[in-house]
Amino acid sequence: NFMLTQPHSVSGSPGKTVTISCTRSSGNIASTYVQWHQQRPGSAPTNVIYEDNRRPFGVPDRFSGSLVSSSNSASLTISGLKTEDEADYYCQSYDNVNHLWVFGGGTKLTVL
Amino acid sequence: EVQLVESGGGLVKPGASLRLSCAVSGITFGSYSMNWVRQAPGKGLEWVSSISASSSNIYYGDSVKGRFTVSRDNAKSLLYLQMHSLRAEDTAVYYCARELLSFDYWGQGTLVTVSS
Repeated sequence: NFMLTQPHSVSGSPGKTVTISCTRSSGNIASTYVQWHQQRPGSAPTNVIYEDNRRPFGVPDRFSGSLVSSSNSASLTISGLKTEDEADYYCQSYDNVNHLWVFGGGTKLTVL
Repeated sequence: EVQLVESGGGLVKPGASLRLSCAVSGITFGSYSMNWVRQAPGKGLEWVSSISASSSNIYYGDSVKGRFTVSRDNAKSLLYLQMHSLRAEDTAVYYCARELLSFDYWGQGTLVTVSS
């Protein structure tokens, strides 16, 4: 089984840009899609990125996803930060050898 | 409007059993794989189990394998999680989620507390 490692926390000021990384421990990050979920305090998660870089309907284009092959990682970038973006963010990918879903440990985004 | 509503959570003693339900509306339930995901208090998300649309493919996370059983009733648009031999470390909010390219719809969760 592989693991997905995220930074515990990141922060940014309103209007600025932050990037959250998600590093895969083994196997190629590009071998299965990466998803990103946002979880505001006291709420259920909501999907903000699927298939590495696609946004569900209704998610603003301030949210973007990408893969960084050199570090075997995925990234979630949020531009034009708003206070409403303050939340926990989780990356997710599929282990198609063992047939299980893997979540990263989550990153707490603080908008200062 | 798509809705996923979990129920069945509560306070149980270690070793007890509990069955969770997830009622789904607003989609053709029988066309999609479904998943259970849990979140211990103050912790991150942990995938628990998945079941394919026809129930032909079922998978579990290592921490629940052999103790939990997932099932579904497509005629009633219901997803279930039967939990046996519950442990303190199973204490969590349990979410059901539809799987379509991602986990695109989530319920609000039901809290399971395992404590003596």
